[in-house]
Amino acid sequence: AQSVSQHNHHVILSEAASLELGCNYSYGGTVNLFWYVQYPGQHLQLLLKYFSGDPLVKGIKGFEAEFIKSKFSFNLRKPSVQWSDTAEYFCAVNYNFNKFYFGSGTKLNVKP
Amino acid sequence: DAGVTQSPTHLIKTRGQQVTLRCSPKSGHDTVSWYQQALGQGPQFIFQYYEEEERQRGNFPDRFSGHQFPNYSSELNVNALLLGDSALYLCASSLGAGGTDTQYFGPGTRLTVL
Repeated sequence: AQSVSQHNHHVILSEAASLELGCNYSYGGTVNLFWYVQYPGQHLQLLLKYFSGDPLVKGIKGFEAEFIKSKFSFNLRKPSVQWSDTAEYFCAVNYNFNKFYFGSGTKLNVKP
Repeated sequence: DAGVTQSPTHLIKTRGQQVTLRCSPKSGHDTVSWYQQALGQGPQFIFQYYEEEERQRGNFPDRFSGHQFPNYSSELNVNALLLGDSALYLCASSLGAGGTDTQYFGPGTRLTVL
């Protein structure tokens, strides 16, 4: 069965630190990959997505993610986090233009 | 431009009862997907509606059913409620039912089953 794993459940960083959140998915054919973010009190919203082309994709607010097919990974990165990046981050995978699977989320707490 | 709206915001039911949740998609969107998010978990895909038909379904029992209306709004129905059905139910809309389409999420309906 398809699955998505986010190994870091809770990350605490100081402002200006670099961020990398891991996302691994099980093999299941053609994949389309997404990162969503949920800021406190707000809806889930799209950060970035990948479905073809350059495996390094850039999203909003300085975030980027790299698709590494051989490792079944789609890690999210940001060179320098801000207090306003405090949120919960979800990796999501669409298999074969079919169903969506979400990871369990990573809560990021950025200390000012 | 109104985003995705869901009603009601909160709902309390008892075991065995039935519940209906409602979703209005973002303007111009024709596809609605429903998710269940238990506390501390990521959203779990229930099903997706496009052109008034269920197109995809996750691993949920038949107690979970839905409907899409000609104006693209949608309902999620859950029969014979169990305690384990307590969760946040999210609706997401998109333009098209393909896997590359960005989904826009609503605020969710918090269902508590006692």
